[in-house]
Amino acid sequence: EPEVTQTPSHQVTQMGQEVILRCVPISNHLYFYWYRQILGQKVEFLVSFYNNEISEKSEIFDDQFSVERPDGSNFTLKIRSTKLEDSAMYFCASSGGQIAPDEQYFGPGTRLTVT
Amino acid sequence: RKEVEQDPGPFNVPEGATVAFNCTYSNSASQSFFWYRQDCRKEPKLLMSVYSSGNEDGRFTAQLNRASQYISLLIRDSKLSDSATYLCVSNGGDSSYKLIFGSGTRLLVRP
Repeated sequence: EPEVTQTPSHQVTQMGQEVILRCVPISNHLYFYWYRQILGQKVEFLVSFYNNEISEKSEIFDDQFSVERPDGSNFTLKIRSTKLEDSAMYFCASSGGQIAPDEQYFGPGTRLTVT
Repeated sequence: RKEVEQDPGPFNVPEGATVAFNCTYSNSASQSFFWYRQDCRKEPKLLMSVYSSGNEDGRFTAQLNRASQYISLLIRDSKLSDSATYLCVSNGGDSSYKLIFGSGTRLLVRP
């Protein structure tokens, strides 16, 4: 069964550093997303991406964040100048399959720890 | 008011029991609704989409009441493996693909 993959599974970085989180969405999907979940809190939407551009973003997704689809398979989230409060689980998701286009499937997540 | 509201639980039930979770959403423009399950420190996994006509998948039945902005999930014949947090989810509104998650309801199924 096709699945979303993410790397790395765990990233530790120092405050002020830049990180890039990587995702490979399901191959025939057209919509890609990033969500985050701070420990003990609910899953929060960050951004959606379609046709090589951002289609929607939340208030959390400020100038510190950017997304890119550098090639036909990868989808990345870049966080510039990380802050302690960026520590969270970051989930990539994709949707747009032919049978149920609005169903989103999540990757296993990258745990980001900012020290 | 929270966009998607759920009872946090925990619901502690014996194996074989039937358990029901409820959820309300505030955005009347939401069009798509889902139940996800999430195990501790894992990703949300899609359990089922929720349709106005109601839908059933094995032991799981989901219902949507648009007039009351209310969604439910019924689990019959609970298994130990059903222990997880169940997330009620709606989309962000008409033509929005973003998902709005509830805080989840925790289910513990005991032997």
